[in-house]
Amino acid sequence: AQSVAQPEDQVNVAEGNPLTVKCTYSVSGNPYLFWYVQYPNRGLQFLLKYITGDNLVKGSYGFEAEFNKSQTSFHLKKPSALVSDSALYFCAVRDETGGFKTIFGAGTRLFVKA
Amino acid sequence: KAGVTQTPRYLIKTRGQQVTLSCSPISGHRSVSWYQQTPGQGLQFLFEYFSETQRNKGNFPGRFSGRQFSNSRSEMNVSTLELGDSALYLCASQSGGSTIADTQYFGPGTRLTVL
Repeated sequence: AQSVAQPEDQVNVAEGNPLTVKCTYSVSGNPYLFWYVQYPNRGLQFLLKYITGDNLVKGSYGFEAEFNKSQTSFHLKKPSALVSDSALYFCAVRDETGGFKTIFGAGTRLFVKA
Repeated sequence: KAGVTQTPRYLIKTRGQQVTLSCSPISGHRSVSWYQQTPGQGLQFLFEYFSETQRNKGNFPGRFSGRQFSNSRSEMNVSTLELGDSALYLCASQSGGSTIADTQYFGPGTRLTVL
């Protein structure tokens, strides 16, 4: 069965410092991994995805994520956090066995302090 | 291009009633997925439609159903509402719909409150 774990409910970081939001996954087939961000009273916005190829994926708003097959991880990173990055972040996975069923992690709330 | 639209944005119902939510995908997108978001359970997959056919279904009771029309617009219906059905219901559309690698684009959601 597919699963996604986001081990931290909340991440606190000072503005200008690097940030990391962790995600690990479990699937039977090859993983297709996604990161989304949700602001209050809004739907989810797509940040980036890993399909195949280069393990370092670059996305919107300066975010990037590193795919690590051996550790089954797909951590979201940003070199310099902004206060406006404060939001709820979701990691999600699909694989061939699950088809179009997308499994989301529980979400990590990011607080960036000025 | 207009984004994914969902109507209504807010809805209040009482237990035992039924409700229908609507989703219009991005123009040209043929796949529509529905999700339920609650503080306790997080984001859970309900079902996915492509060309009026349900391709995948999550683990929800039969009270939750959906359909897709020939113009790709989709509706989901919840019958015999329970308090636990209170949630934000999100719809997402996906271009093409032939590969699971495609990106999903989400609507703003419908906030359903069951009293």
